[in-house]
Amino acid sequence: KQEVTQIPAALSVPEGENLVLNCSFTDSAIYNLQWFRQDPGKGLTSLLLIQSSQREQTSGRLNASLDKSSGRSTLYIAASQPGDSATYLCAVSSGYGQNFVFGPGTRLSVLP
Amino acid sequence: DTAVSQTPKYLVTQMGNDKSIKCEQNLGHDTMYWYKQDSKKFLKIMFSYNNKELIINETVPNRFSPKSPDKAHLNLHINSLELGDSAVYFCASGAYAGPPQYFGPGTRLTVT
Repeated sequence: KQEVTQIPAALSVPEGENLVLNCSFTDSAIYNLQWFRQDPGKGLTSLLLIQSSQREQTSGRLNASLDKSSGRSTLYIAASQPGDSATYLCAVSSGYGQNFVFGPGTRLSVLP
Repeated sequence: DTAVSQTPKYLVTQMGNDKSIKCEQNLGHDTMYWYKQDSKKFLKIMFSYNNKELIINETVPNRFSPKSPDKAHLNLHINSLELGDSAVYFCASGAYAGPPQYFGPGTRLTVT
């Protein structure tokens, strides 16, 4: 049974800092991994999707890496801004059309 | 121009009642999902539909019954509500058998 954990549970940084969020999964036989952002009272927003054959994906100030063999993914946020404050979740899928298993999320606060 | 919408946003009801949550997506996606987010913020998939056909049905009490009248809608009906059903329920959509890409704003269900 796939289990996904994320550390830290919460993170508070001053504006402008670069930061890394970590995601670990127990079963390395994944199909893809996705990072989401959740804002209070709003739906989740998909940030990056990494297929199992890929090692990283980039979108603007965000970079996500995937190391399947070690069961880890990191989300790197460059030059953080207060607008980045949200909860970040990672989710892994075990197969095409298979459901995602979500981690508990990391709550990020970027202080102005 | 909301991509995935859910109604109602908040739902407070008593134990034993029957209630429905509606979900609509205007993205033309073939796959829709229902997720439950519990008090520990874990997101767990409940159901997934491809073109009105059920493809994922996780271990969910049969008091929960999804209904997809067309591929743009996936409603969730819950019978005989229990205290433990209190949670936030998210609807999501994605490409055919692909991962969820867009999530609705969530419906906070409180059973008293």
